[in-house]
Amino acid sequence: AQSVTQLDSQVPVFEEAPVELRCNYSSSVSVYLFWYVQYPNQGLQLLLKYLSGSTLVKGINGFEAEFNKSQTSFHLRKPSVHISDTAEYFCAVRKMSNTGKLIFGQGTTLQVKP
Amino acid sequence: ETGVTQSPTHLIKTRGQQVTLRCSSQSGHNTVSWYQQALGQGPQFIFQYYREEENGRGNFPPRFSGLQFPNYSSELNVNALELDDSALYLCASSYLGTGGEDTQYFGPGTRLTVL
Repeated sequence: AQSVTQLDSQVPVFEEAPVELRCNYSSSVSVYLFWYVQYPNQGLQLLLKYLSGSTLVKGINGFEAEFNKSQTSFHLRKPSVHISDTAEYFCAVRKMSNTGKLIFGQGTTLQVKP
Repeated sequence: ETGVTQSPTHLIKTRGQQVTLRCSSQSGHNTVSWYQQALGQGPQFIFQYYREEENGRGNFPPRFSGLQFPNYSSELNVNALELDDSALYLCASSYLGTGGEDTQYFGPGTRLTVL
């Protein structure tokens, strides 16, 4: 079975500072990896995904993530955050050999302060 | 191109009642997945429908059932509602091709409150 651990439940950061949201996963088989963002009272928006190839993945809104197979991690980073980045961020995995079932972490609340 | 839409936005029911939630897929997608997101939690997979058939199910009881229609829209039905069913219900659509990878795009969700 797969599992996802988001190591920080809340990350407070000042505007224009860099940020890293940490995600570790556990799986006995190869997986696809995703980051989604959820703004208050909204659904999930796809930020980026790792399917194969380069381990550094660039997404929307200036976010990027790096897949590290040996450490089973997929940390999300942004060099300079804005107030508008305040939201809940979810890391998710899906088995390559399966369809559909995304396994989500518990989420990390990013709080950007002025 | 329209995105994933869900209806209704909000719903209040009482314990023991039945509810139907609806989802319209993004244009060109053939697969719909449903998730339950309790307050302060990550979404939990309920089931997925591909070409009108269930294509995987999470750890939810049989009173959670679904349908997918020829136009790839979908319904989630929940019978005998319990207080713990109160949650945000998210629908995600995707295109499942021969490669087996389907990136899921989510709708805005339906907030269900069970009293």
